[in-house]
Amino acid sequence: EAGVVQSPRYKIIEKKQPVAFWCNPISGHNTLYWYRQNLGQGPELLIRYENEEAVDDSQLPKDRFSAERLKGVDSTLKIQPAELGDSAVYLCASSLAGATYEQYFGPGTRLTVT
Amino acid sequence: QKEVEQNSGPLSVPEGAIASLNCTYSDRGSQSFFWYRQYSGKSPELIMSIYSNGDKEDGRFTAQLNKASQYVSLLIRDSQPSDSATYLCAVRGDNYGQNFVFGPGTRLSVLP
Repeated sequence: EAGVVQSPRYKIIEKKQPVAFWCNPISGHNTLYWYRQNLGQGPELLIRYENEEAVDDSQLPKDRFSAERLKGVDSTLKIQPAELGDSAVYLCASSLAGATYEQYFGPGTRLTVT
Repeated sequence: QKEVEQNSGPLSVPEGAIASLNCTYSDRGSQSFFWYRQYSGKSPELIMSIYSNGDKEDGRFTAQLNKASQYVSLLIRDSQPSDSATYLCAVRGDNYGQNFVFGPGTRLSVLP
């Protein structure tokens, strides 16, 4: 079974430029999460989708971040414009709704804003 | 008070010893508990989940949960240098909107 797929793996951009990250979850997983992880910290949730619906985007900085999950499968997270403080690893994870809710992560995208 | 707390480490143990990693959480209503291993430069990898009080064993790993004390731990028996990584504790529950809240992680170093 293929795991969570993310692209790109690395991205270097200048501040004020836009950037987009793509995620394809594990087949059949209806819940998709975007996290941001800074060095030395645990992942912090940005947004959670149940199928196509964003059920929790309370931690998403909506002035510059946006996300979509069309057709309830893959998802895109966008930052426009990027700021120096956005440099981090952006992780996508997915899980299957049910008793266990075990969550699996993709490899992440390491973003560097210069 | 942070939601999920872990000692940042590093925790150093000799090869073959038992490594004990601890995690405390603030929300008494939390329902699900997870341990992830994260190697440097890699993404978190799920190694254990536990949902009820007591112990759960999987190979060299044992997760222990005590909801009354709001405490979850991970024991790694016969520690190997390949176990050297950061271990993240994650908690899920209704009061977190059914989201996962992660601790900062404990860095484990197993010395040959």
